[in-house]
Amino acid sequence: AQKITQTQPGMFVQEKEAVTLDCTYDTSDQSYGLFWYKQPSSGEMIFLIYQGSYDEQNATEGRYSLNFQKARKSANLVISASQLGDSAMYFCAMREGWAGGSYIPTFGRGTSLIVHP
Amino acid sequence: DSGVTQTPKHLITATGQRVTLRCSPRSGDLSVYWYQQSLDQGLQFLIQYYNGEERAKGNILERFSAQQFPDLHSELNLSSLELGDSALYFCASSLETVNTEAFFGQGTRLTVV
Repeated sequence: AQKITQTQPGMFVQEKEAVTLDCTYDTSDQSYGLFWYKQPSSGEMIFLIYQGSYDEQNATEGRYSLNFQKARKSANLVISASQLGDSAMYFCAMREGWAGGSYIPTFGRGTSLIVHP
Repeated sequence: DSGVTQTPKHLITATGQRVTLRCSPRSGDLSVYWYQQSLDQGLQFLIQYYNGEERAKGNILERFSAQQFPDLHSELNLSSLELGDSALYFCASSLETVNTEAFFGQGTRLTVV
């Protein structure tokens, strides 16, 4: 079974509008971390935001916020006031508790976001 | 700058050849992870080393191997290369906790011709 599911292969948004990228996860651990990364066309992986499973508040980092719904096992990324430079692939990732002796970051297949002027 | 250094950035080689990708982790990180990203694919976990020892294996082919040296730098060796091995290979390093992000190198883009 997929640990991280990103159901939107591609998304389009108008510049200055907000966009939500979906992510659902599957774990039986109580302690886990959820992460979002951005991969522009140049290829590097840029860390955006982190949410811990015990965090009661949704994480925010500038224009990025994470809509964490624990009961639904979803961790959607919200980008406010989209900019042309936000056009990129976005990956949701999870680190679970010490299963098998490691905290391997597991990634979804990604969502391609295109911001239109 | 993530603090993780990967070399080379680009590599073009012929089928059947062997290549070595190198990664220097962020200072203080004992864990190194290797990932493969093929066209339009997510990141596939290959292998993890922790403080010099192999800790976890993912979907790593038998033709691929890795090691981590006492100075914590790591190398990924790819042999008997096939066209399908063409991909972006990432190294990431991190602390071993659930609540810290993994820091990625710039990746090595391998093209097998």
